[in-house]
Amino acid sequence: KAGVTQTPRYLIKTRGQQVTLSCSPISGHRSVSWYQQTPGQGLQFLFEYFSETQRNKGNFPGRFSGRQFSNSRSEMNVSTLELGDSALYLCASSLQANTGELFFGEGSRLTVL
Amino acid sequence: QKEVEQDPGPLSVPEGAIVSLNCTYSNSAFQYFMWYRQYSRKGPELLMYTYSSGNKEDGRFTAQVDKSSKYISLFIRDSQPSDSATYLCAMRANTNAGKSTFGDGTTLTVKP
Repeated sequence: KAGVTQTPRYLIKTRGQQVTLSCSPISGHRSVSWYQQTPGQGLQFLFEYFSETQRNKGNFPGRFSGRQFSNSRSEMNVSTLELGDSALYLCASSLQANTGELFFGEGSRLTVL
Repeated sequence: QKEVEQDPGPLSVPEGAIVSLNCTYSNSAFQYFMWYRQYSRKGPELLMYTYSSGNKEDGRFTAQVDKSSKYISLFIRDSQPSDSATYLCAMRANTNAGKSTFGDGTTLTVKP
């Protein structure tokens, strides 16, 4: 059974640019969550989608947005990139929205220069 | 102050040792408690998942939750070099799986 797939794995952007990250959940999983991981702040919740609807949103500025498609695949977008956005962006899927078992992808490592 | 506090280590032990990893939390609404293992350049992998207080054992791993003290632990018996990783505790307050609050992680090295 394929795991959570995130693309791209690595990317470099410059300040002011925007970026789109993609996540394909485990087949059959309908809930997708996004987290930002940095050495200083650890894992921080960005948002969660279930059946194409955003169910929860973390404490991040509006430059961070996401969406989920009918096939449960999800994308997140960061506009007007700042140096502080450099991080590992992790996507996690779960079978339903009411189970604690999150299955993470390997992440997309974003470097902002 | 963070909702979840975890000693970042690093923690270094000899092979075969018993390892104890701990987290404290302040939000009494947390009901679901998880431990994840993260190898370098990989995503976190779920190790243990417990609901409310009590113990749960899975092979060499035992998770303990003490809600009265707001304290959770992960014990690793007969530690192996392959256990060298960062261990993250996580918890959430309701049935919503996606919004979990994570500790900062403890880096463990098991020396042969």
